[in-house]
Amino acid sequence: GAVVSQHPSWVICKSGTSVKIECRSLDFQATTMFWYRQFPKQSLMLMATSNEGSKATYEQGVEKDKFLINHASLTLSTLTVTSAHPEDSSFYICSARDPLAGARTETQYFGPGTRLLVL
Amino acid sequence: KQEVTQIPAALSVPEGENLVLNCSFTDSAIYNLQWFRQDPGKGLTSLLLIQSSQREQTSGRLNASLDKSSGRSTLYIAASQPGDSATYLCAVSYSGAGSYQLTFGKGTKLSVIP
Repeated sequence: GAVVSQHPSWVICKSGTSVKIECRSLDFQATTMFWYRQFPKQSLMLMATSNEGSKATYEQGVEKDKFLINHASLTLSTLTVTSAHPEDSSFYICSARDPLAGARTETQYFGPGTRLLVL
Repeated sequence: KQEVTQIPAALSVPEGENLVLNCSFTDSAIYNLQWFRQDPGKGLTSLLLIQSSQREQTSGRLNASLDKSSGRSTLYIAASQPGDSATYLCAVSYSGAGSYQLTFGKGTKLSVIP
């Protein structure tokens, strides 16, 4: 089946620094990738939809200047948390959509997640 | 706006019991509904996907049903095992922002006691 990887799996950083998280589709080309955030005991909340070669679409309440998304190729999307603060500590999960799959199959394949801790 | 609710939030059962997890959604205009499993600190594992035109899907000890008109789905787990302990998430897919967005429930945390 389709595999999506994320790197790093864990990151601890000091407040004020920027952190980049990579999401890769390993065996298919993903024209669309999604970034989710999950706080403890909460569900996954969609942050943004990333389309290859165009600007990301951010959900209401998500600061696009703080969470920079780049989807420069069909297999890679990056999320950069700029000037991270302790309240940004969370579990970030990406997913990738296989455009060949359509709505009749599993449309999104999820990465293993990245846990960010900002001190 | 689509909202997904899962009941109960947590469930503890002895090994061997059959159990049912519930999921409800507010907007019946969905493409499909998925059940996922999430282990602590891990990503998501897709368990079952039900298309909007289907009423149920089965995989091993798992059976998921969908009643689109009433906005409900159930996940039935037969003969539960300690290895089934995890958080189970329900998500519905709908067309939003030009793509297929998923809206998740908060999940049901299942503990199967040996």
